[in-house]
Amino acid sequence: GEDVEQSLFLSVREGDSSVINCTYTDSSSTYLYWYKQEPGAGLQLLTYIFSNMDMKQDQRLTVLLNKKDKHLSLRIADTQTGDSAIYFCAEQSGTSSNTGKLIFGQGTTLQVKP
Amino acid sequence: SQTIHQWPATLVQPVGSPLSLECTVEGTSNPNLYWYRQAAGRGLQLLFYSVGIGQISSEVPQNLSASRPQDRQFILSSKKLLLSDSGFYLCAWSPADVQYFGAGTRLSVL
Repeated sequence: GEDVEQSLFLSVREGDSSVINCTYTDSSSTYLYWYKQEPGAGLQLLTYIFSNMDMKQDQRLTVLLNKKDKHLSLRIADTQTGDSAIYFCAEQSGTSSNTGKLIFGQGTTLQVKP
Repeated sequence: SQTIHQWPATLVQPVGSPLSLECTVEGTSNPNLYWYRQAAGRGLQLLFYSVGIGQISSEVPQNLSASRPQDRQFILSSKKLLLSDSGFYLCAWSPADVQYFGAGTRLSVL
């Protein structure tokens, strides 16, 4: 079945770059997403990438997609303490485009040390 | 602009009591709607989704049910809560290929 995997924890120092990685199994994925969840809050959409793209950049965020290896990464430049949160990777299968169903990873907790 | 509202934000209920969580979306029409549960701050489990009024698809067998009585209203219910129903419940809506989430309801069943 479809599966999305992420490492559970990442710790960086303020000002460094953070790279959060994700792998997925569904080769028919159409869109891939990154969401951010702060403590006690809902999920905030950070960015998403269509499967025919290799890279997308939005200010401090860079998404890289390696479709051959089914690998997605999120790079946060100049990481700040406000970036501390759980980051979820998600994919939408091509077979789910009419329902919009997403498959989520377990989330990566990013800890930013001052 | 579109907004999504969930209430209540926090709920403490005794085992065996009923449940009703409500989610409404403003500023759009005919959205896809979703209910997720997040246990222990980890991954999201899709519980129900709806592509239209009265159309509900259940992803996992459980003690919960969902209804969509109006285009932009999605309700999560239970007749008798179990301890295992505790968790963080998130509603989401989708115009097409992106899902936008509400602030969530923290449910504690004691």
